[in-house]
Amino acid sequence: KNQVEQSPQSLIILEGKNCTLQCNYTVSPFSNLRWYKQDTGRGPVSLTIMTFSENTKSNGRYTATLDADTKQSSLHITASQLSDSASYICVVSGSGTYKYIFGTGTRLKVLA
Amino acid sequence: DAGITQSPRHKVTETGTPVTLRCHQTENHRYMYWYRQDPGHGLRLIHYSYGVKDTDKGEVSDGYSVSRSKTEDFLLTLESATSSQTSVYFCAISESGASGTEAFFGQGTRLTVV
Repeated sequence: KNQVEQSPQSLIILEGKNCTLQCNYTVSPFSNLRWYKQDTGRGPVSLTIMTFSENTKSNGRYTATLDADTKQSSLHITASQLSDSASYICVVSGSGTYKYIFGTGTRLKVLA
Repeated sequence: DAGITQSPRHKVTETGTPVTLRCHQTENHRYMYWYRQDPGHGLRLIHYSYGVKDTDKGEVSDGYSVSRSKTEDFLLTLESATSSQTSVYFCAISESGASGTEAFFGQGTRLTVV
């Protein structure tokens, strides 16, 4: 069964600190992996998208990595800000499909 | 922001009544999706469309129907709302499907069935 699992479920860090969120997937055949940020009460917004051949992608203070062999991805947030408080969702797509498979997300809280 | 608008943004309805949610896009994207988001679950696909009048079921389609008579509009209908359909509903659009380009999401519709 195609699944996407994220850890931790929730995380609290102090402003200015770094953190890393994890995503493991079993989707096969694999096409691409995306990380989304979802603020409370809003729709998800894309941070990064990586295909099979890419193993890292950055978007400002967000850096995503992908290991297609172990089917793992991580999202690293550098120098966190209060505005980083949100849910971060890992989304995987299989080849030749119109569908996205969503993880349940990691809820990040950044404290002053 | 991508041109995608959901309406209404909030709705409270009674059990057994029909409800229609609208997703409107100005991007001329081919693919449109309806998802529901509930605590403890990732976004779950209800229905999707890959062109005008071309739709297919997702993993949680029971109790829902959709229609797409124009490229820009994708309607989700709950024929007879139940309390289990209380959720936040998101519409998404994509130019070339999940294996291709970016997917953009609407702001969501919070539906409460009492």
